[in-house]
Parts: sequence; structure tokens; C-alpha cells
Amino acid sequence: AQKITQTQPGMFVQEKEAVTLDCTYDTSDPSYGLFWYKQPSSGEMIFLIYQGSYDQQNATEGRYSLNFQKARKSANLVISASQLGDSAMYFCAMREPSFSGGYNKLIFGAGTRLAVHP
Amino acid sequence: NAGVTQTPKFQVLKTGQSMTLQCAQDMNHNSMYWYRQDPGMGLRLIYYSASEGTTDKGEVPNGYNVSRLNKREFSLRLESAAPSQTSVYFCASSESPGSPQPQHFGDGTRLSIL
Repeated sequence: AQKITQTQPGMFVQEKEAVTLDCTYDTSDPSYGLFWYKQPSSGEMIFLIYQGSYDQQNATEGRYSLNFQKARKSANLVISASQLGDSAMYFCAMREPSFSGGYNKLIFGAGTRLAVHP
Repeated sequence: NAGVTQTPKFQVLKTGQSMTLQCAQDMNHNSMYWYRQDPGMGLRLIYYSASEGTTDKGEVPNGYNVSRLNKREFSLRLESAAPSQTSVYFCASSESPGSPQPQHFGDGTRLSIL
């Protein structure tokens, strides 16, 4: 069965430094997608970045980049130049294929709470 | 830009009561989803609708029913609420199955069952 593991319940980082949030996944399907979402204390889910299993390049979106190591089944999120507003829960998620042949469902990890210190 | 709108935002129920959580999206997305989020856990899929007219069970469907009313609206019903259903419920939508585009989430409904 597909599974997402985030082994860091909490992380601390100094403002303006970079931080890496870990995510490993398990799937037997060669086609899948990996997402990172941010959930601030206000509760909404904010999409950050996406990596497809067949993408040749690591995904980047502004200060966010995804360190995708397919052989190790890891998809770590790197936040460069941390800001106080980056303090939030971060969830890694994998889209798995559905039985109907489409890609419907997201499986989420338990999340990592990031605190950015001034 | 409304995106995904959920109502209500907060609700307190007594055990055994029923209620329906409403969700509407204005992005012309084909697929819609209901998740629950419990403390210390990620989101778990309750039900989803790949397209108008279809619904399927997710990881934790017991105690819930859904209705895909039209392309825009996807409701979640608790027929007889139980304390174990106390959670934050999120509705989400995406363009279609197979799309690399992300799911867009509503702001959530905080549901407490006494």
C-alpha cells in the first residue's frame, strides 16, 4: 500500500537560513505525483510545489525547491532564506493512481511543524 | 476569487444528530474530495467524486455519505454523529483525474460532537 512518512514532528530554523523538511514515500506504481502543502495556524491548506515521477528536473517555485531522489523514494522540501511567515505545518502528499485508471486520491504524511526564529 | 467554499465554518452537534457539510467550487473542476484532519495527523480521504455523477469511497468512509449535486457542489452528510467524528473537515477540488494540477482546498469546517 502507498504510504508517506515525515519523520520530523518539529523543526526549528533561524530567519534567513535554509531548512530541509524530509519526506519518504512508498509505492509500487511507476507513475505518481508528489506535493507539498503548507498549513499556517489559520488552518487553510496552501499548495507549494509539485513533482511528477517522470519529471527529469527537480521542481522549484520561488524559495521552495524539491530534492527528488527517486531511487531512495524521497522528496524533501527545501525552503531557502526562511521568513517568519514560513512558520507553519508542512505536509507531504502523494497522488496515487485510482482503480479506474485516473489519479484521484492524495495520501498525506503526518506533517512537520516548522518554527522560524528571528 | 472564491475558489472552494465550505459551509459552515464551525459546528457543534450532539451525539446522534445529523448534519450536512456543504462545499462549492467555482473553478470548473471535475473532481472533488472530502478529507478529515485529526490532531497530529495528516488529512485522510473520506469520499471523492472523480467527475459529476460519480462518487467513490476513500480511506475512512464509515459513518458518512456524499452527494455530488452538480459539477460545482459536493456535500458530506453525517447521518448519526458520533464523538469519533469530531475533526476538521476539508473539501478540495482538482481539474480532473490524471491532471498534474494540485488539489485546491477550502478553509475547513471545525466540527465538534458532544
